[in-house]
Amino acid sequence: GENVEQHPSTLSVQEGDSAVIKCTYSDSASNYFPWYKQELGKGPQLIIDIRSNVGEKKDQRIAVTLNKTAKHFSLHITETQPEDSAVYFCAATPNSNSGYALNFGKGTSLLVTP
Amino acid sequence: GAVVSQHPSRVICKSGTSVKIECRSLDFQATTMFWYRQFPKQSLMLMATSNEGSKATYEQGVEKDKFLINHASLTLSTLTVTSAHPEDSSFYICSARDFKNTEAFFGQGTRLTVV
Repeated sequence: GENVEQHPSTLSVQEGDSAVIKCTYSDSASNYFPWYKQELGKGPQLIIDIRSNVGEKKDQRIAVTLNKTAKHFSLHITETQPEDSAVYFCAATPNSNSGYALNFGKGTSLLVTP
Repeated sequence: GAVVSQHPSRVICKSGTSVKIECRSLDFQATTMFWYRQFPKQSLMLMATSNEGSKATYEQGVEKDKFLINHASLTLSTLTVTSAHPEDSSFYICSARDFKNTEAFFGQGTRLTVV
Protein backbone atom coordinates (compact mmCIF):
# COMPACT_ATOMS: atom_id res chain seq x y z
CA GLY A 1 0.00 0.00 0.00
CA GLU A 2 0.85 3.65 -0.11
CA ASN A 3 3.23 5.07 2.51
CA VAL A 4 3.37 8.83 2.88
CA GLU A 5 6.15 10.40 4.92
CA GLN A 6 6.03 14.02 6.00
CA HIS A 7 8.71 16.34 7.38
CA PRO A 8 9.23 18.22 9.58
CA SER A 9 6.86 17.21 12.36
CA THR A 10 7.06 20.69 13.87
CA LEU A 11 7.98 23.99 12.27
CA SER A 12 8.26 27.41 13.87
CA VAL A 13 8.69 30.53 11.75
CA GLN A 14 8.43 34.24 12.30
CA GLU A 15 5.58 36.15 10.77
CA GLY A 16 6.41 37.13 7.23
CA ASP A 17 8.85 34.29 6.66
CA SER A 18 8.21 31.33 4.39
CA ALA A 19 7.38 27.80 5.50
CA VAL A 20 8.09 24.63 3.55
CA ILE A 21 6.73 21.19 4.32
CA LYS A 22 7.88 18.15 2.39
CA CYS A 23 6.28 14.78 1.71
CA THR A 24 7.35 11.63 -0.06
CA TYR A 25 5.18 8.76 -1.26
CA SER A 26 5.89 5.20 -2.25
CA ASP A 27 3.14 4.11 -4.66
CA SER A 28 3.85 5.16 -8.24
CA ALA A 29 0.12 4.76 -8.98
CA SER A 30 -0.71 7.74 -6.79
CA ASN A 31 -1.59 10.76 -8.88
CA TYR A 32 -3.61 13.06 -6.66
CA PHE A 33 -1.89 14.96 -3.85
CA PRO A 34 -3.95 17.23 -1.58
CA TRP A 35 -2.84 19.30 1.38
CA TYR A 36 -5.06 19.87 4.39
CA LYS A 37 -4.99 22.36 7.22
CA GLN A 38 -6.44 21.24 10.52
CA GLU A 39 -7.16 23.60 13.37
CA LEU A 40 -7.60 22.32 16.89
CA GLY A 41 -10.84 20.39 17.35
CA LYS A 42 -11.89 20.69 13.72
CA GLY A 43 -11.91 18.51 10.66
CA PRO A 44 -9.25 18.94 7.95
CA GLN A 45 -9.81 21.64 5.36
CA LEU A 46 -8.42 21.34 1.85
CA ILE A 47 -6.07 24.22 1.09
CA ILE A 48 -4.53 23.15 -2.20
CA ASP A 49 -4.12 20.05 -4.31
CA ILE A 50 -2.12 18.95 -7.30
CA ARG A 51 -2.53 16.24 -9.87
CA SER A 52 0.24 14.31 -11.52
CA ASN A 53 -0.09 16.05 -14.86
CA VAL A 54 1.33 19.30 -13.47
CA GLY A 55 4.50 20.11 -11.59
CA GLU A 56 3.44 23.20 -9.71
CA LYS A 57 0.29 24.97 -8.60
CA LYS A 58 -0.12 28.27 -6.81
CA ASP A 59 -2.98 29.93 -4.98
CA GLN A 60 -2.07 33.32 -3.54
CA ARG A 61 0.41 32.67 -0.70
CA ILE A 62 0.26 28.90 -1.04
CA ALA A 63 2.01 26.78 -3.62
CA VAL A 64 2.59 23.07 -4.12
CA THR A 65 5.28 21.41 -6.19
CA LEU A 66 5.37 17.82 -7.38
CA ASN A 67 8.28 15.71 -8.57
CA LYS A 68 6.84 12.43 -9.81
CA THR A 69 10.20 10.97 -10.69
CA ALA A 70 11.47 11.42 -7.15
CA LYS A 71 8.01 10.77 -5.65
CA HIS A 72 7.96 13.87 -3.53
CA PHE A 73 5.80 16.94 -3.21
CA SER A 74 6.06 20.06 -1.12
CA LEU A 75 3.88 22.79 0.33
CA HIS A 76 5.17 26.34 0.32
CA ILE A 77 3.56 29.12 2.34
CA THR A 78 4.93 32.61 1.80
CA GLU A 79 4.46 35.71 3.94
CA THR A 80 3.23 33.61 6.81
CA GLN A 81 0.70 35.03 9.24
CA PRO A 82 -0.20 33.94 12.79
CA GLU A 83 -3.50 32.56 11.50
CA ASP A 84 -1.52 30.10 9.39
CA SER A 85 -0.63 28.32 12.64
CA ALA A 86 -2.21 24.86 12.49
CA VAL A 87 -1.40 21.25 11.69
CA TYR A 88 -0.86 20.55 8.01
CA PHE A 89 -1.28 17.12 6.44
CA CYS A 90 -0.21 15.93 3.04
CA ALA A 91 -1.96 13.01 1.38
CA ALA A 92 -1.70 10.85 -1.70
CA THR A 93 -4.10 8.61 -3.57
CA PRO A 94 -4.84 7.21 -6.99
CA ASN A 95 -7.69 9.37 -8.28
CA SER A 96 -9.10 7.06 -10.89
CA ASN A 97 -11.83 5.97 -8.54
CA SER A 98 -13.54 8.00 -5.86
CA GLY A 99 -13.60 4.86 -3.76
CA TYR A 100 -9.94 5.27 -2.88
CA ALA A 101 -9.24 6.73 0.55
CA LEU A 102 -6.51 9.26 1.15
CA ASN A 103 -3.22 8.13 2.66
CA PHE A 104 -2.06 10.81 5.07
CA GLY A 105 1.33 11.89 6.27
CA LYS A 106 1.84 12.24 10.02
CA GLY A 107 1.31 15.98 9.97
CA THR A 108 3.36 19.12 10.56
CA SER A 109 2.53 21.45 13.40
CA LEU A 110 3.25 24.95 12.11
CA LEU A 111 3.63 27.84 14.54
CA VAL A 112 3.89 31.36 13.20
CA THR A 113 5.08 33.78 15.83
CA PRO A 114 4.35 37.51 15.58
CA GLY B 1 -18.28 24.12 -2.42
CA ALA B 2 -19.38 20.69 -1.33
CA VAL B 3 -20.09 20.25 2.36
CA VAL B 4 -20.00 17.25 4.62
CA SER B 5 -21.89 17.63 7.85
CA GLN B 6 -21.08 15.47 10.85
CA HIS B 7 -23.05 15.19 14.09
CA PRO B 8 -22.69 15.37 16.96
CA SER B 9 -19.55 17.45 17.34
CA ARG B 10 -19.05 16.29 20.91
CA VAL B 11 -20.47 13.40 22.89
CA ILE B 12 -19.79 12.00 26.32
CA CYS B 13 -21.09 8.55 27.13
CA LYS B 14 -20.79 5.97 29.84
CA SER B 15 -18.77 2.79 29.42
CA GLY B 16 -20.84 0.02 27.91
CA THR B 17 -23.23 2.24 26.02
CA SER B 18 -23.40 2.81 22.26
CA VAL B 19 -22.96 6.04 20.37
CA LYS B 20 -24.05 6.86 16.82
CA ILE B 21 -22.29 9.43 14.67
CA GLU B 22 -23.88 10.71 11.48
CA CYS B 23 -22.14 11.93 8.36
CA ARG B 24 -24.10 13.65 5.60
CA SER B 25 -23.06 14.96 2.23
CA LEU B 26 -25.19 18.06 1.82
CA ASP B 27 -24.97 18.92 -1.85
CA PHE B 28 -23.52 15.94 -3.64
CA GLN B 29 -24.01 12.22 -3.82
CA ALA B 30 -21.34 10.22 -2.10
CA THR B 31 -21.27 6.61 -3.16
CA THR B 32 -18.29 6.16 -0.88
CA MET B 33 -17.60 7.64 2.53
CA PHE B 34 -14.63 7.11 4.78
CA TRP B 35 -14.34 6.98 8.54
CA TYR B 36 -11.14 8.04 10.26
CA ARG B 37 -10.00 8.09 13.87
CA GLN B 38 -7.49 10.59 15.16
CA PHE B 39 -5.73 10.44 18.51
CA PRO B 40 -4.19 13.60 20.00
CA LYS B 41 -1.25 14.94 18.01
CA GLN B 42 -1.46 12.08 15.54
CA SER B 43 -2.49 11.71 11.94
CA LEU B 44 -5.82 10.47 10.61
CA MET B 45 -6.05 6.70 10.60
CA LEU B 46 -8.51 5.13 8.19
CA MET B 47 -10.95 2.84 9.98
CA ALA B 48 -13.28 1.79 7.20
CA THR B 49 -14.63 2.59 3.78
CA SER B 50 -18.37 2.85 3.62
CA ASN B 51 -20.10 1.95 0.36
CA GLU B 52 -23.72 2.84 -0.28
CA GLY B 53 -25.89 -0.22 -0.30
CA SER B 54 -23.19 -2.71 0.61
CA LYS B 55 -21.04 -3.78 3.52
CA ALA B 56 -18.26 -1.54 4.70
CA THR B 57 -14.65 -2.50 4.22
CA TYR B 58 -12.67 -2.35 7.44
CA GLU B 59 -8.97 -1.73 7.83
CA GLN B 60 -6.83 -4.30 9.54
CA GLY B 61 -7.19 -4.18 13.29
CA VAL B 62 -10.57 -2.43 13.30
CA GLU B 63 -13.33 -4.55 14.82
CA LYS B 64 -16.34 -4.52 12.51
CA ASP B 65 -18.67 -5.69 15.29
CA LYS B 66 -17.61 -2.83 17.50
CA PHE B 67 -17.67 -0.08 14.90
CA LEU B 68 -20.88 -0.60 12.95
CA ILE B 69 -21.16 1.31 9.72
CA ASN B 70 -24.33 1.84 7.76
CA HIS B 71 -24.46 3.67 4.43
CA ALA B 72 -28.13 3.41 3.58
CA SER B 73 -28.35 6.32 1.16
CA LEU B 74 -26.12 8.34 -1.14
CA THR B 75 -26.00 11.17 1.37
CA LEU B 76 -25.82 9.49 4.77
CA SER B 77 -23.40 7.18 6.51
CA THR B 78 -23.45 6.37 10.20
CA LEU B 79 -20.82 5.00 12.54
CA THR B 80 -22.01 3.35 15.73
CA VAL B 81 -19.48 2.67 18.46
CA THR B 82 -20.95 -0.24 20.40
CA SER B 83 -20.21 -1.08 24.01
CA ALA B 84 -17.89 1.89 24.22
CA HIS B 85 -14.87 1.81 26.52
CA PRO B 86 -12.55 4.63 27.63
CA GLU B 87 -9.93 3.52 25.08
CA ASP B 88 -12.46 4.32 22.33
CA SER B 89 -12.26 7.97 23.31
CA SER B 90 -10.96 9.75 20.25
CA PHE B 91 -11.75 12.22 17.48
CA TYR B 92 -13.76 10.55 14.73
CA ILE B 93 -13.90 12.18 11.30
CA CYS B 94 -15.84 11.24 8.21
CA SER B 95 -15.00 12.08 4.64
CA ALA B 96 -16.75 11.79 1.32
CA ARG B 97 -15.63 12.02 -2.27
CA ASP B 98 -17.93 13.12 -5.03
CA PHE B 99 -17.74 10.57 -7.83
CA LYS B 100 -17.39 13.46 -10.26
CA ASN B 101 -14.41 14.90 -8.46
CA THR B 102 -11.35 13.60 -6.75
CA GLU B 103 -11.54 16.13 -3.93
CA ALA B 104 -12.30 14.68 -0.50
CA PHE B 105 -14.47 16.72 1.84
CA PHE B 106 -14.31 16.23 5.57
CA GLY B 107 -16.86 16.59 8.30
CA GLN B 108 -16.22 18.71 11.36
CA GLY B 109 -15.31 15.69 13.44
CA THR B 110 -16.83 14.17 16.58
CA ARG B 111 -15.01 14.24 19.89
CA LEU B 112 -16.05 11.08 21.74
CA THR B 113 -15.29 10.79 25.43
CA VAL B 114 -16.16 7.56 27.20
CA VAL B 115 -16.28 7.79 30.98
